[in-house]
Amino acid sequence: DAKTTQPTSMDCAEGRAANLPCNHSTISGNEYVYWYRQIHSQGPQYIIHGLKNNETNEMASLIITEDRKSSTLILPHATLRDTAVYYCIAAGNNRKLIWGLGTSLAVNP
Amino acid sequence: EAGVTQFPSHSVIEKGQTVTLRCDPISGHDNLYWYRRVMGKEIKFLLHFVKESKQDESGMPNNRFLAERTGGTYSTLKVQPAELEDSGVYFCASSQVTPTSERLSEQFFGPGTRLTVL
Repeated sequence: DAKTTQPTSMDCAEGRAANLPCNHSTISGNEYVYWYRQIHSQGPQYIIHGLKNNETNEMASLIITEDRKSSTLILPHATLRDTAVYYCIAAGNNRKLIWGLGTSLAVNP
Repeated sequence: EAGVTQFPSHSVIEKGQTVTLRCDPISGHDNLYWYRRVMGKEIKFLLHFVKESKQDESGMPNNRFLAERTGGTYSTLKVQPAELEDSGVYFCASSQVTPTSERLSEQFFGPGTRLTVL
């Protein structure tokens, strides 16, 4: 499974867009980019996934570069409840998830 | 629709004792995964069931850990005998089996069981 790298921490002002980057330069062709988050003391929560195309759902947008070596998760209007650790994972379908340390996002009032 | 549930939410045991964790996946989800987070470390994969069969158990740390999923519904993870380093949060996740890559099966996680071995 591909290894991903993310910044350790980021800050964002409430109401602003939060842009979380992820590098996955060794991703293979059949691996998806998944984003999960973990809010303190809760189980991880699925956010969004993508293979090649940009994706958007009610929670976030995912921008994947054309070469698929990196991606950005966008929370368009961050709220205090979006404070969490965000994980970018590259994995095949129906396969185990390999977790890094993620990005700790602090949304400030 | 009920989510993934785990029992107990917390367990405190002494070294050498036995503990059994339970996970009830979302109804209809054939994939069931166990993960663990030891304090300060990344979440680590333990094993993956497809129905009652172990698809991948490469993450199981040693033979003190036994996972079962009889009947392909709920799963148990037994630690016997427990050691200090087994302390951590154990997460269970489930997903549907999707036969092709066109439909992704995202994993839905339970709240975890916090295990403390004294």
